[in-house]
Amino acid sequence: AQKVTQAQTEISVVEKEDVTLDCVYETRDTTYYLFWYKQPPSGELVFLIRRNSFDEQNEISGRYSWNFQKSTSSFNFTITASQVVDSAVYFCALSGADNYGQNFVFGPGTRLSVLP
Amino acid sequence: GAVVSQHPSWVICKSGTSVKIECRSLDFQATTMFWYRQFPKQSLMLMATSNEGSKATYEQGVEKDKFLINHASLTLSTLTVTSAHPEDSSFYICSAQPAGVNTEAFFGQGTRLTVV
Repeated sequence: AQKVTQAQTEISVVEKEDVTLDCVYETRDTTYYLFWYKQPPSGELVFLIRRNSFDEQNEISGRYSWNFQKSTSSFNFTITASQVVDSAVYFCALSGADNYGQNFVFGPGTRLSVLP
Repeated sequence: GAVVSQHPSWVICKSGTSVKIECRSLDFQATTMFWYRQFPKQSLMLMATSNEGSKATYEQGVEKDKFLINHASLTLSTLTVTSAHPEDSSFYICSAQPAGVNTEAFFGQGTRLTVV
């Protein structure tokens, strides 16, 4: 069975601080996809990143960076110099290779509050 | 990126009535769409997989007679909540992916259903 764990339920930081959101996953598949989504109060899901299981390169996109460690089954997300607009719920998700990874298992989410 | 549109964005209905939610892929064809449900402050849970031209596949614990799914065309899937009860109040969100293309799934903006 597939499972995603986000141990941090809520995090509060002060603007400009760096923050790391943890994600640990379980799967028996050898090919799978990992995702991060942002859900602001309005509810829509904002896609942040997709990574397949064969690509362990870390990625940086502006203030966002991701650390994929297959050895520990983790896919952590770091926001550098956080801003108030980063306040949202962040979901880590896992999908198998069927249908190119459409069928998601979401983690419970981490609610990030960035205080001015 | 590809656009998935849900309608309505929010709806309030009386107990016992039925509500239909539409999920449209605006600029691509999708043979498969997914329906998720999100209770307040909880994660997204897959309800069912909607397959164009065939019956939907429901996840364990989801009543297929209560949550009717129709995927009559390559760009439209509908979810009908029949005989709605207050406990059906939730955020419903769909996702779709261009057929045969290895990209991330695209999510609709979600529908907030309140049953009174």
